[in-house]
Amino acid sequence: QPALAQPAAVSGSPGQSITISCTGTSDDVGGNDHVSWYQQHPGEAPKLIIYDVANRPSGVSYRLSGSKSGNTASLTISGLQAEDEADYFCGSYTTNGMRVFGSGTQVTVL
Amino acid sequence: QLQLQASGPGLLKPSETLSLTCSFSGGSIATGSYYGAWIRQSPGGGLEWIGSVYYSGTTYFKPSLNSRASISIDTSKNRFSLTLTSVTAADTAVYYCARENWAEGWFDPWGQGTPVTVSS
Repeated sequence: QPALAQPAAVSGSPGQSITISCTGTSDDVGGNDHVSWYQQHPGEAPKLIIYDVANRPSGVSYRLSGSKSGNTASLTISGLQAEDEADYFCGSYTTNGMRVFGSGTQVTVL
Repeated sequence: QLQLQASGPGLLKPSETLSLTCSFSGGSIATGSYYGAWIRQSPGGGLEWIGSVYYSGTTYFKPSLNSRASISIDTSKNRFSLTLTSVTAADTAVYYCARENWAEGWFDPWGQGTPVTVSS
């Protein structure tokens, strides 16, 4: 089963801000700054939206931001839009050089 | 712009061997700290990293899959391949290939996945 815990679902109205948490341990999220986030629309492959905790790849909306405190990383979506409705997964490097993902969060725009 | 595409048989029987190929174009994964990676997504939705291969042939695997999985790379043909032996229903998933930044642990881009079903 997934190593990182995420809420199964988060929802918000257009224009609102929502935050998705990703909780691990000191062996993964808490042990390094290599946390990434992925967005997946139905029927599509995941897409990298955040890397190294808070960095956005070129072309990713400024409304998406990442942060981390201790063993928990967070993804915040500001000014929620219909296009943000998707599944979101976190990922982390581990202290033994492996990779782990979160369980995924379904975001619904009300 | 780098693009990847996974392909392979969609249906296998328990105990058979799964072989998947990832073909890439528009760039290379065989540079710097980039690896080729295999990731799968179970019907329940979760993502699972399977393993990664460097252009030199060096590989890393998720420990629980290490005994059944192998990955090879052919840079001259711009492809890398996953072999998974003794499959069971638990191996039913959509399999994705992706380029991985090994030093920072992120995956980008991802290829369009290929579904694999293990059923008798």
